[in-house]
Amino acid sequence: QQQVKQSPQSLIVQKGGISIINCAYENTAFDYFPWYQQFPGKGPALLIAIRPDVSEKKEGRFTISFNKSAKQFSLHIMDSQPGDSATYFCAASIGDQKLVFGQGTRLTINP
Amino acid sequence: DAGVTQSPTHLIKTRGQQVTLRCSPISGHKSVSWYQQVLGQGPQFIFQYYEKEERGRGNFPDRFSARQFPNYSSELNVNALLLGDSALYLCASSQIGYAGEQYFGPGTRLTVT
Repeated sequence: QQQVKQSPQSLIVQKGGISIINCAYENTAFDYFPWYQQFPGKGPALLIAIRPDVSEKKEGRFTISFNKSAKQFSLHIMDSQPGDSATYFCAASIGDQKLVFGQGTRLTINP
Repeated sequence: DAGVTQSPTHLIKTRGQQVTLRCSPISGHKSVSWYQQVLGQGPQFIFQYYEKEERGRGNFPDRFSARQFPNYSSELNVNALLLGDSALYLCASSQIGYAGEQYFGPGTRLTVT
């Protein structure tokens, strides 16, 4: 019940396209859902996060869509750029407790 | 403001040895969490500390231990190293009450030979 399942494992998108990464969870006690971006050799960087009382949050080219009834959330990257090429992790937590991470998606943006 | 700092950056140890990793949180943050990230996987929670008290522990053996100091910095100790302990060890800094917002350091890459 503590798992967060992420898909796809890898994704290739053309420059200017939309990148979409999906996550699903089981534990309905989760109340915070962040996305992290990680470049090789670096620590994960907090990108954007959502709480279950809203269905969508947008920050620049990054949007989280949240479906509480389906227990799913997704990251959309609009106008994807080569600099967005990185590994993306979804995560979930209960309050300020530990983060439970998905398995990661390696995103490649082709120029 | 400085972010989360970790030392050392890289470390090579032999099986059976002991290692100590260090972390300094963002100024004003009183909670530190440790995660292990094996290559190609998401980070796995090891410990969370707040105000020098252990607040949570993940599914790791007793060879793993940690502590937090009065200045909120933290150390992670791993005894009797195994080859499988080779990973990136990440420290995350947060403010209790700011649900879930954890900020990660660059990590320490531990290689066990």
